[in-house]
Amino acid sequence: AQSVTQLDSQVPVFEEAPVELRCNYSSSVSVYLFWYVQYPNQGLQLLLKYLSGSTLVESINGFEAEFNKSQTSFHLRKPSVHISDTAEYFCAVSDVTGANNLFFGTGTRLTVIP
Amino acid sequence: DSGVTQTPKHLITATGQRVTLRCSPRSGDLSVYWYQQSLDQGLQFLIQYYNGEERAKGNILERFSAQQFPDLHSELNLSSLELGDSALYFCASSVTSLNRGDEQFFGPGTRLTVL
Repeated sequence: AQSVTQLDSQVPVFEEAPVELRCNYSSSVSVYLFWYVQYPNQGLQLLLKYLSGSTLVESINGFEAEFNKSQTSFHLRKPSVHISDTAEYFCAVSDVTGANNLFFGTGTRLTVIP
Repeated sequence: DSGVTQTPKHLITATGQRVTLRCSPRSGDLSVYWYQQSLDQGLQFLIQYYNGEERAKGNILERFSAQQFPDLHSELNLSSLELGDSALYFCASSVTSLNRGDEQFFGPGTRLTVL
């Protein structure tokens, strides 16, 4: 079984400041790792994912996440946030040997303060 | 717009009733997933269908059932509704059922309120 822990339920940060959203996972099998973002009153959108290869993955809007196998972490970072980054961020995993369904963390609400 | 449509957007009903939520996947996607998002349970996987066949089951109650039709749209049936079933129900779709880390495209959700 897999589980995902997002310790920070809410993260307020000032505009143009850096931010890190933490994600740790637990699994007895290899997993793929994802970050999804949910803007207010919308469905979830894929932000970035790690399947294999380079442990640092980037999104088109400046976010990056690093897979750390020894610490079973996949933290999300952005060096300078914008107001438009205000949203709920979900870390998720899927079992590489199983079906494609996702196991989600409880989410982190990022609020960017002007 | 993800290309996944869900109807209705909102549903208000009473305890003990039965409702049907509908989902149309993106054009070309054969897999459909249902997720439940509630304040106390977070986002939970319910069930997955691939090309009409059940592919994986998660934390889906026995009072809930789903199916995927030949035109690939899917319906989630919730019966004997309880107050605790109030939640946002998301449908997602992807190209295949094979886990290659394919992106899942989420619909806007159906908000169910049980009174």
